[in-house]
Parts: sequence; C-alpha cells; structure tokens
Amino acid sequence: EDQVTQSPEALRLQEGESSSLNCSYTVSGLRGLFWYRQDPGKGPEFLFTLYSAGEEKEKERLKATLTKKESFLHITAPKPEDSATYLCAVRDRDDKIIFGKGTRLHILP
Amino acid sequence: EPEVTQTPSHQVTQMGQEVILRCVPISNHLYFYWYRQILGQKVEFLVSFYNNEISEKSEIFDDQFSVERPDGSNFTLKIRSTKLEDSAMYFCASTNLNEQFFGPGTRLTVL
Repeated sequence: EDQVTQSPEALRLQEGESSSLNCSYTVSGLRGLFWYRQDPGKGPEFLFTLYSAGEEKEKERLKATLTKKESFLHITAPKPEDSATYLCAVRDRDDKIIFGKGTRLHILP
Repeated sequence: EPEVTQTPSHQVTQMGQEVILRCVPISNHLYFYWYRQILGQKVEFLVSFYNNEISEKSEIFDDQFSVERPDGSNFTLKIRSTKLEDSAMYFCASTNLNEQFFGPGTRLTVL
C-alpha cells in the first residue's frame, strides 16, 4: 500500500536557524513527489515537483532533494513568514496522489 | 497569475441534502482533481479527471459522489445525499503535470 510519512510532526526554530523536514515514502511506480506549503484555512500552495532520485530544486530559502526512499525539504536561515504546514505528496502509477500529514513549522522571531 | 477558483467558500447543508461544489480550473490545464481535508487531518485524494472522464478514484469516492465538467470551464463535485462525516474542506486542483495548483477550498458543513 502506498504510504507517505512526514517527520517531525511539528518543529519550532529560531529565526535564522536552518533545518530539514523529512518525507519518507513507499509507492508503486513513483510518478512525482510534491512539496506544498499550507497556511491555516487555505489551500496548499505548490512549491516543488521532483521526479527521480538525485534531483534537487531550490526556491528562495527552500531546497528539496529526493532519494529512492525519501525526500528532504531544507530550510536555510528561515524567517517568521516561513511559518506554515509543509506537505509532501506522491503520485503513483495509477495517478492517485497520497499526502502525508505534514510538518507544522513555527519560526520564532 | 492564473489561479483556480472555487465557489462557494462555505456551504452549510442538512444531512441527506445534495450539494454541488464548483471549481474553475486554470484554463490550459488538462488534469483536474478533487481532494478533501477533514479538520486537523491530512489532505485526502478523491478523484482525478482527464479528457472528460474519471482517470482514478479513491475508496472515499463512492456512489454518493460524482464529478462533471459541464462546459469548457467549470468542474463540479456533487454529493448526492450528504452525511455528517462529509463535513470537511474540499479542494479542487488542476495541473499541467509539472505543477499542481489548488483552489482556496469550499468548507462544507453538514448539520
């Protein structure tokens, strides 16, 4: 059964304190791994799509990496406005998309 | 910047009533999705739609649910006879396969 597990569930960092969020997955025929940001009461906001092991993508203070079993979202020198829930999802060979429960990130000023 | 829109933003209905949630995907996208998110829980895939037909659906998407693209712009989710457990945020999304864009959601409350 396809599964996505994110860790930690919640993370509190000081402004400027870099860290990484983990997304472990088991999926039948990975057709893409997605990272999203979700603010309270809003829809997920697309960040990245990764397709194959070794791929990396960057956007401002965020960098996503992918291996055959997991993905990391690295946050460098975060700011309070980076506080949100970060969601990981995978698309399987049948075009189903499975989300993880997310990591709630809180950046303290 | 193009965006996915959804209406209404909040729908309150009585148990057993039919509801239709509406979405306008991004115009040049070909794949459309419906998801739901029960308060405090993860986003759950309901159905994907391509070329005017369902391409995949989850176990949640039973006979009470249906989707339609009645014209060139709208994409709808119908729940025929709502249950209390259908209360959730419902998100529509569209994709060009590389990037998936979500709408702001419809909060459905079933009383």
